[in-house]
Amino acid sequence: DGGITQSPKYLFRKEGQNVTLSCEQNLNHDAMYWYRQDPGQGLRLIYYSQIVNDFQKGDIAEGYSVSREKKESFPLTVTSAQKNPTAFYLCASAPLAGSDGYTFGSGTRLTVV
Amino acid sequence: GENVEQHPSTLSVQEGDSAVIKCTYSDSASNYFPWYKQELGKRPQLIIDIRSNVGEKKDQRIAVTLNKTAKHFSLHITETQPEDSAVYFCAARSFVASYDKVIFGPGTSLSVIP
Repeated sequence: DGGITQSPKYLFRKEGQNVTLSCEQNLNHDAMYWYRQDPGQGLRLIYYSQIVNDFQKGDIAEGYSVSREKKESFPLTVTSAQKNPTAFYLCASAPLAGSDGYTFGSGTRLTVV
Repeated sequence: GENVEQHPSTLSVQEGDSAVIKCTYSDSASNYFPWYKQELGKRPQLIIDIRSNVGEKKDQRIAVTLNKTAKHFSLHITETQPEDSAVYFCAARSFVASYDKVIFGPGTSLSVIP
């Protein structure tokens, strides 16, 4: 998966539940990102982290939480406060400062049932 | 806040014709502009990128041009093929000492008709 792995590929959530999406990279990248993608829309930034134990809110952080305890891992929790969580979630990583673009994971499709 | 606009939202071309997608950005600090291709159900893949000190970059059938003064950049695909059909995203990224931020355009759905 190009050095960045997301799991699971498909996830179903009952209303009121919290669920956690996994993102792991072995590229030694400092920066990691979570995006949400809805049909017909672009990539909207949820959270990002440039260094271990530090992360910043993106444009649509409400109802989500993250942690960055290890450089290679950046899990995203979709909480019950997120009222419309059905979407495709993409994790990405990048060198903190370099000429490369992002490397994306293969995504997790979350559906509320 | 900063944003990236992208046009058109959908584009259909005949196989062999050229396709052009245009983007504008608002953050004058942006200095790196990647383009991604996303096939249905798959992850976005970087196809070409350009830095702000370069006006044009070409890689086989794909080229990107940048007009920093006007804050717009464009993707050009020549001799299009059916496998070029996908959603294309432009992005503008800033490398400023204390933050690293990328803003994506809303995407262009390209259909190449055989």
